[in-house]
Amino acid sequence: DAGVIQSPRHEVTEMGQEVTLRCKPISGHDYLFWYRQTMMRGLELLIYFNNNVPIDDSGMPEDRFSAKMPNASFSTLKIQPSEPRDSAVYFCASSLGQGRTEAFFGQGTRLTVV
Amino acid sequence: GDSVTQMEGPVTLSEEAFLTINCTYTATGYPSLFWYVQYPGEGLQLLLKATKADDKGSNKGFEATYRKETTSFHLEKGSVQVSDSAVYFCALSRQGAQKLVFGQGTRLTINP
Repeated sequence: DAGVIQSPRHEVTEMGQEVTLRCKPISGHDYLFWYRQTMMRGLELLIYFNNNVPIDDSGMPEDRFSAKMPNASFSTLKIQPSEPRDSAVYFCASSLGQGRTEAFFGQGTRLTVV
Repeated sequence: GDSVTQMEGPVTLSEEAFLTINCTYTATGYPSLFWYVQYPGEGLQLLLKATKADDKGSNKGFEATYRKETTSFHLEKGSVQVSDSAVYFCALSRQGAQKLVFGQGTRLTINP
């Protein structure tokens, strides 16, 4: 398996624009997680899904953020409108479930909002 | 709630030195414990894990032992290399739960 695949690797956008980050989890994994990493706040869990259903979105910072998982092999994290303080590295991770909790991370999307 | 506390960094060592990065946790029951490593510009990679008390996880010369009595999972390596320079994260998953709780990370720099 190629691992968790995220796209794009880098995104530069202007304030106010919509940004969509994409993730393909490892095939067969039941759980998908979205994290945000910044120098100030470290690694934050934004939302996670189990079998495509959102389980906990308490980490989503505000209504400008939304996440979907339309099928087992694809998820998106959308920011609309984007703001400079959203600049961060966004990671997607997946885990097998069934008692196996170790998560496997993608390489991340570095988002810069100017 | 569940939490993980790591020793503050950054940590700077010379090549071939002995490494310890402390990690303690707070959680009910018997969590699973993990160490992840993040190299510059990359995502987190699972380094090792332990799922029950007294288990020792090991990988690439790194070791950590699950100590229930001291709620600790310290990372050790006997002789570090320049290529070990990275950020190291300790994490736990509560028994019966899937999400991971991470520590704040410890930046390690190894000088030749």
